[in-house]
Amino acid sequence: KNEVEQSPQNLTAQEGEFITINCSYSVGISALHWLQQHPGGGIVSLFMLSSGKKKHGRLIATINIQEKHSSLHITASHPRDSAVYICAVISDDMRFGAGTRLTVKP
Amino acid sequence: KAGVTQTPRYLIKTRGQQVTLSCSPISGHRSVSWYQQTPGQGLQFLFEYFSETQRNKGNFPGRFSGRQFSNSRSEMNVSTLELGDSALYLCASSYKGHEQYFGPGTRLTVT
Repeated sequence: KNEVEQSPQNLTAQEGEFITINCSYSVGISALHWLQQHPGGGIVSLFMLSSGKKKHGRLIATINIQEKHSSLHITASHPRDSAVYICAVISDDMRFGAGTRLTVKP
Repeated sequence: KAGVTQTPRYLIKTRGQQVTLSCSPISGHRSVSWYQQTPGQGLQFLFEYFSETQRNKGNFPGRFSGRQFSNSRSEMNVSTLELGDSALYLCASSYKGHEQYFGPGTRLTVT
């Protein structure tokens, strides 16, 4: 079993829909990252959080340390949100989920 | 501020050769981490350097090594290349363990 599990693996949504991507982990962590990777490979760190909730524009990330679970929400999704979203936890080192491929159709 | 830069962007090598990849962090960032991304294994942590010292190392064979210079620039080296080393190699810099900023990556193909 992977130490960092993401769901769903693939997600297709219509423009405007509310999207949730989940991340569960089984190790003790000091922080968790949500990363966005567009085709071509470029990775952008969306959030780094160790507790509670963070919001940036249409993106919201939450983490529940007790339940070892984090969620990334996208409100009013747009085709430009189409990308792979990766959850990464900082434990002894950085460990990654397999990613969620999001496609938002116009 | 300029972002994280990596050179070269693309590289083709043959089995048995060695390769050196370079990463220049954002000015002021002293932490540089390296990652390997393959279709089969996804993203995997290679190592982290801070102030010229390796602070952490992932589960990779000794063929993978790195170093960091006094100006925080970092290099990673892979010796005796294998076909399975074909991957996108990413580096990221951060300021004192805060949010990481990723470079565009070096795509290595081993033939």
